[in-house]
Amino acid sequence: DTGVSQNPRHKITKRGQNVTFRCDPISEHNRLYWYRQTLGQGPEFLTYFQNEAQLEKSRLLSDRFSAERPKGSFSTLEIQRTEQGDSAMYLCASSETLGNYGYTFGSGTRLTVV
Amino acid sequence: AQSVTQLGSHVSVSEGALVLLRCNYSSSVPPYLFWYVQYPNQGLQLLLKYTSAATLVKGINGFEAEFKKSETSFHLTKPSAHMSDAAEYFCAVSDTNAGKSTFGDGTTLTVKP
Repeated sequence: DTGVSQNPRHKITKRGQNVTFRCDPISEHNRLYWYRQTLGQGPEFLTYFQNEAQLEKSRLLSDRFSAERPKGSFSTLEIQRTEQGDSAMYLCASSETLGNYGYTFGSGTRLTVV
Repeated sequence: AQSVTQLGSHVSVSEGALVLLRCNYSSSVPPYLFWYVQYPNQGLQLLLKYTSAATLVKGINGFEAEFKKSETSFHLTKPSAHMSDAAEYFCAVSDTNAGKSTFGDGTTLTVKP
């Protein structure tokens, strides 16, 4: 297993455009998480899935953000009508359902909105 | 509700000196606690975890952390710092098994030769 894979690594987009990121978790992991990290801050929770079910979504998350995990494997995070404040590192992580062994993180997708 | 406070956004030690990174948590239920490390230009990597089996937890690269319920703390230590320990360290708390975690703002560790 190659770990958690995120694509693209970097994305530069103009304000108002839509962007989509992809995350491929470790294949044995049922849970998949999205976090956002800005400079000087710790990762901030966005949403998480168990298999294809979205179990929780941050109340801080705008309606412009949507995430899917249609077949319980890879996940996509879409941001519509991007704003400069969306510029951040978007992190994906996966874990097993039981045992709380902690997360395995991907390397992240760095979004820059110009 | 759960929260984490990491005291000291920057810590600097000399090579060979003790490393102490502080973390205090708040949780309404017995917590799961974690330390992650982030090396420059890399993703976060799990360093160690507390899941109520033992209060002193040993992790990778010689790090360990002690869970102290009375102090609501989970400080990270290493007896002797190495240059390769220079990184950003994040403490995290979860109040459910494999649920969402809340992260602190991180502590950047600098190791001086």
